[in-house]
Amino acid sequence: AQSVTQPDIHITVSEGASLELRCNYSYGATPYLFWYVQSPGQGLQLLLKYFSGDTLVQGIKGFEAEFKRSQSSFNLRKPSVHWSDAAEYFCAVGYGQNFVFGPGTRLSVLP
Amino acid sequence: ETGVTQSPTHLIKTRGQQVTLRCSSQSGHNTVSWYQQALGQGPQFIFQYYREEENGRGNFPPRFSGLQFPNYSSELNVNALELDDSALYLCASSRTGVRQNTEAFFGQGTRLTVV
Repeated sequence: AQSVTQPDIHITVSEGASLELRCNYSYGATPYLFWYVQSPGQGLQLLLKYFSGDTLVQGIKGFEAEFKRSQSSFNLRKPSVHWSDAAEYFCAVGYGQNFVFGPGTRLSVLP
Repeated sequence: ETGVTQSPTHLIKTRGQQVTLRCSSQSGHNTVSWYQQALGQGPQFIFQYYREEENGRGNFPPRFSGLQFPNYSSELNVNALELDDSALYLCASSRTGVRQNTEAFFGQGTRLTVV
């Protein structure tokens, strides 16, 4: 069965520090992979997506993610975190007509 | 902001009641998907509508039903509400119909509380 795991429930980083959020997936075919961000009380905003080609994907707000097929991973990175990045982050696999989401990682940013 | 709008934003219902949630899809999009997001969890796929027909369903009971209208807007109906139905309900619209959601835009959600 398709599944997405995000090993870190909650991460705290200082403003200006680098960030890496982990995502592992289980999927039988070539996956379509996504990262979404959700601010409190809000819907989901697409950060970036991977369908094929270059395994390093650039997204909005300075985020990037790297697809590693051998590790079944699609980790999200940002070189310098801003206070406004504090939110919940969801990794997702495009499956059939829908998405399978991970449980999310909550990011807190210290001033 | 996306062009996907959901109404109402918040709703409180009593156990056993019925509820209807609404979603207007983004212009040019013909597919609407509904997700349930319980507190502290990732969204779970309920079902998808394409060309006014259900086009895939997750692991939700029949008391969760939906409609899609000719203008591609959609409704989610939940009968015989249970306490565990309390969640944020998200609507997503996309342009694809029968293949994977290559890009979907989510609404702000409807927060349903069942008491």
